[in-house]
This record gives sequence, structure tokens and C-alpha cells, in this order.
Amino acid sequence: ILNVEQSPQSLHVQEGDSTNFTCSFPSSNFYALHWYRWETAKSPEALFVMTLNGDEKKKGRISATLNTKEGYSYLYIKGSQPEDSATYLCALVSNTNAGKSTFGDGTTLTVKP
Amino acid sequence: EAGVTQSPTHLIKTRGQQATLRCSPISGHTSVYWYQQALGLGLQFLLWYDEGEERNRGNFPPRFSGRQFPNYSSELNVNALELEDSALYLCASSEGLGYTFGSGTRLTVV
Repeated sequence: ILNVEQSPQSLHVQEGDSTNFTCSFPSSNFYALHWYRWETAKSPEALFVMTLNGDEKKKGRISATLNTKEGYSYLYIKGSQPEDSATYLCALVSNTNAGKSTFGDGTTLTVKP
Repeated sequence: EAGVTQSPTHLIKTRGQQATLRCSPISGHTSVYWYQQALGLGLQFLLWYDEGEERNRGNFPPRFSGRQFPNYSSELNVNALELEDSALYLCASSEGLGYTFGSGTRLTVV
């Protein structure tokens, strides 16, 4: 069973703060790692697809790194804005169980103005 | 370009009834994935359809079933509904670069 753990469960920051959260997993036993942002009353939106050890992705103020050897991925948000408030999910795409992604429970970020 | 569409948005059923949920993927996507988010739990993989065939299913009982049509749209059927089937059901399609999710169907079993 592929276990994906995200921490912290929730995070409250002030506007302008930078923040990061973690996705931990058993190392190497997956094809890709995805990050999603899920705003209330909307659909989860794909942020990054990461496949290689040492992979780094960036989209505006948000970036992510992947360390497959140690079994973690970090998501960073620089200068948080209220519109960044959402639940951030990571998901591992299995390389042994075709078509299946295993999601973590998410980190819920609240950015106060 | 239309995204992934799901219907209905909300569905209320009585225990023991059957529920049918529908999904249309992004045009050109042949794969459809179904996920369940029950209260207090994370997204759980239900089913994967590709090219009209069921390719994989998660750890759910056989009363969860579905199909994919020639136009790649999909139905999820839940038979003999139980109270614990109350959940948000998300459909997604993919070209291999992460999922594009629909807005979901909220199923309530009373």
C-alpha cells in the first residue's frame, strides 16, 4: 500500500509571508508526483507534474521540489496572498497499479489579509 | 475548450436505491478516472476507463461499477446505496500531465 502523508494538516499565515509544506512517501515506487490546488467550491487544479529526482518546478510565486531518494516533495509559496488560500494536495501516480493515483489528505492554507 | 463536465451537481437518494453519475472528459481525452471523497477522508481512487474498457479499479465493492461510451463519456453506477456512500464523486480526464477534474457530484444517501 502506497502511503502519502502531507504536513502540516493546516496552516494560517499573514499576507506576504512565505510558506512551505511537505509531501512524504515511500521512496521510488511511483511514476510521477502531482501537486494540486483545491479552492473551496471549485475543482482541484493541477499545479505541477514531477517525475525525476531533483526535479524543480516553478509557476509564478509557487515552486516545488522533489527528492525521490529521501521520499519527499516540498511546495513553496513566496509572498502568500489571500487568493492562495486553498487545500494543496499531492498525489503519487503508481508505476505498479496502472491508472491509480494515491492522494495525501492535503494541507489547508489560509492567508489572512 | 470545455473542461470536464459532471452531472448532476447534487443527488439525493434513499438507502438501497441506485445512483447514476455522469462525466464528459475534455475533448480528445480517452481516459476517465473516478474518485470518491467521503466526509473526513482524502480522495480515493475508484475506477479508470480508457478506450471504452475498465482498466483498473480501487478497493471498492462490486456495487460500484460503470462504463465508458464510444464518445469517451462515462457513467458511474452505485447500486444498493448505503449511508456511507454519501460523498463527493469527482471525475477527471488526463493526457498524462496531471488530471483535469470536473466540479463533482455530491451524493447524499438518506
